[in-house]
Amino acid sequence: GAVVSQHPSWVICKSGTSVKIECRSLDFQATTMFWYRQFPKQSLMLMATSNEGSKATYEQGVEKDKFLINHASLTLSTLTVTSAHPEDSSFYICSARVSRDNEAFFGQGTRLTVV
Amino acid sequence: AQSVTQLDSQVPVFEEAPVELRCNYSSSVSVYLFWYVQYPNQGLQLLLKYLSGSTLVKGINGFEAEFNKSQTSFHLRKPSVHISDTAEYFCAVSYYGGSQGNLIFGKGTKLSVKP
Repeated sequence: GAVVSQHPSWVICKSGTSVKIECRSLDFQATTMFWYRQFPKQSLMLMATSNEGSKATYEQGVEKDKFLINHASLTLSTLTVTSAHPEDSSFYICSARVSRDNEAFFGQGTRLTVV
Repeated sequence: AQSVTQLDSQVPVFEEAPVELRCNYSSSVSVYLFWYVQYPNQGLQLLLKYLSGSTLVKGINGFEAEFNKSQTSFHLRKPSVHISDTAEYFCAVSYYGGSQGNLIFGKGTKLSVKP
């Protein structure tokens, strides 16, 4: 199946700094990528939908100025957590959609810890 | 509003026993249905999906699920589980014709297989 690579798999940063997470589709072109956040022992919550070449669509309650999403090419989307705080610590997962049949492939996730 | 309900947050079962993980959704339009598995600190792996056609869907690792439109359910089953099936399982739905085919996830069911 299609492969989605997410990097880094884990990161620890100091409060107030910014962190960038990359999501790459390795063997297909993804016109749409999704970013999710998962709190411990909870489900995935969609943060934003990213379309190549256009601005991301953020879900209600997600601060677009804090979670910057860039989808500059058909194989790469990035999520930047700006001025990170401990409450931003979470597991972030991206997915990329192959086609209109709505199947999405997921990255392995990034564990962000803000200290 | 569309939603996905996984009725059991935890399901303990002995090895080689059968298991059923329940999933119900609410929708007034056509849907696509998915089951994903998540191992600790990893992303999601697709187990199986229902897009159209036969309501009985077979997936990887010996899992299968049946789409029941009248009961709006998509329960996941395996006739004989292994220790390695211990993981979190997420049911998800995507609404055909929706804005971008975003996945809506249930809260997950933790399957614990004991020897």
